[in-house]
Amino acid sequence: SQTIHQWPATLVQPVGSPLSLECTVEGTSNPNLYWYRQAAGRGLQLLFYSVGIGQISSEVPQNLSASRPQDRQFILSSKKLLLSDSGFYLCAWSGPVVQPQHFGDGTRLSIL
Amino acid sequence: DAKTTQPPSMDCAEGRAANLPCNHSTISGNEYVYWYRQIHSQGPQYIIHGLKNNETNEMASLIITEDRKSSTLILPHATLRDTAVYYCIVRPRFNTNAGKSTFGDGTTLTVKP
Repeated sequence: SQTIHQWPATLVQPVGSPLSLECTVEGTSNPNLYWYRQAAGRGLQLLFYSVGIGQISSEVPQNLSASRPQDRQFILSSKKLLLSDSGFYLCAWSGPVVQPQHFGDGTRLSIL
Repeated sequence: DAKTTQPPSMDCAEGRAANLPCNHSTISGNEYVYWYRQIHSQGPQYIIHGLKNNETNEMASLIITEDRKSSTLILPHATLRDTAVYYCIVRPRFNTNAGKSTFGDGTTLTVKP
């Protein structure tokens, strides 16, 4: 069966520090991968998606970037965090052809 | 993707059926209706999806109107563990456009003892 792993579960970072969140998927090949951000009490905002290694599409301009160095690895990064980067970050995968999406347990990021 | 409209909150008594509505009046012919739920501090969980026929699985039933402009997710015997935010989204089943995945604010369902 397929599983998705996301870490860390919580993270507290100072303003201006770098960020690296990692997501890996097991049990499937060539998945579509997604990064979402969720503000408290709100829905999910799609940040990035990837249909293959090295292929990244950005949905909104921001202080973040994403990379996909391996087929089942998706990384969310920032060189300098802003207060507005605080939130709940979720990684998801779907099959290469069809939906639905399957989500990890998320990383709660607090910027001080 | 078509926009969806859901009530912000609903209550349900434990053991009773929970009926969660969703309006998607601009749905296209190739778009499916997907339902997810998110329990506090966890990632969303896929529940069910459908195109035009009613669907049922071990978690829920999905009723889609004949004109496909609205749908209802039914939890037949709600338990306290069904308290969550429920999201209804519409999008093509095939990843013709892998982006544009929008989850609105959903419906917060509270199951009460």
